[in-house]
Amino acid sequence: DADVTQTPRNRITKTGKRIMLECSQTKGHDRMYWYRQDPGLGLRLIYYSFDVKDINKGEISDGYSVSRQAQAKFSLSLESAIPNQTALYFCATSSGLAGGLADTQYFGPGTRLTVL
Amino acid sequence: AQSVSQHNHHVILSEAASLELGCNYSYGGTVNLFWYVQYPGQHLQLLLKYFSGDPLVKGIKGFEAEFIKSKFSFNLRKPSVQWSDTAEYFCAVSTSGTYKYIFGTGTRLKVLA
Repeated sequence: DADVTQTPRNRITKTGKRIMLECSQTKGHDRMYWYRQDPGLGLRLIYYSFDVKDINKGEISDGYSVSRQAQAKFSLSLESAIPNQTALYFCATSSGLAGGLADTQYFGPGTRLTVL
Repeated sequence: AQSVSQHNHHVILSEAASLELGCNYSYGGTVNLFWYVQYPGQHLQLLLKYFSGDPLVKGIKGFEAEFIKSKFSFNLRKPSVQWSDTAEYFCAVSTSGTYKYIFGTGTRLKVLA
């Protein structure tokens, strides 16, 4: 079941390049999230969006930007990639129906990004 | 600031051993608590969650967790682990007013056959 898809799955790039990671979902959820996962640091929230017109910074948004092109699409951009942005990036969605707080998040398969 | 602590970073067990993974959070208000699991090469998926009612929550694959409000804890347990439980386990908290999730750093569990 590929309800949340991410492209590309792997990417190697060089310092200074602009990179876009894309996330699409077929779950019909309004809420979408971008996280990065680093060994020993768990998942950290980069940006989140509760609907197409609502985008919010997470705890580590510096160096990143996002675009919510439609309910189903949420893209993450690295304007000028640097080596410490090497990480595993996850997109997630939630419905917002369970009062928001108790939502289950549904994760994509992740994008492994390496910045040389 | 809200935080989630998982004290065990790596755990190695033999099959049939009992498992308890610790999770503590820091927040004085209403919380909802989650355990997610990431099997090797797979997505994160929900194991169980607590949002109200019985503080002992049962999830998939025989896992359970107990919310102890006075200890700010939500420990994950399984009476008898299997090799297929080898994975990374993440505790997460969402808090009233923020609608965001704070994840712990994860615990890597390896179960020896």
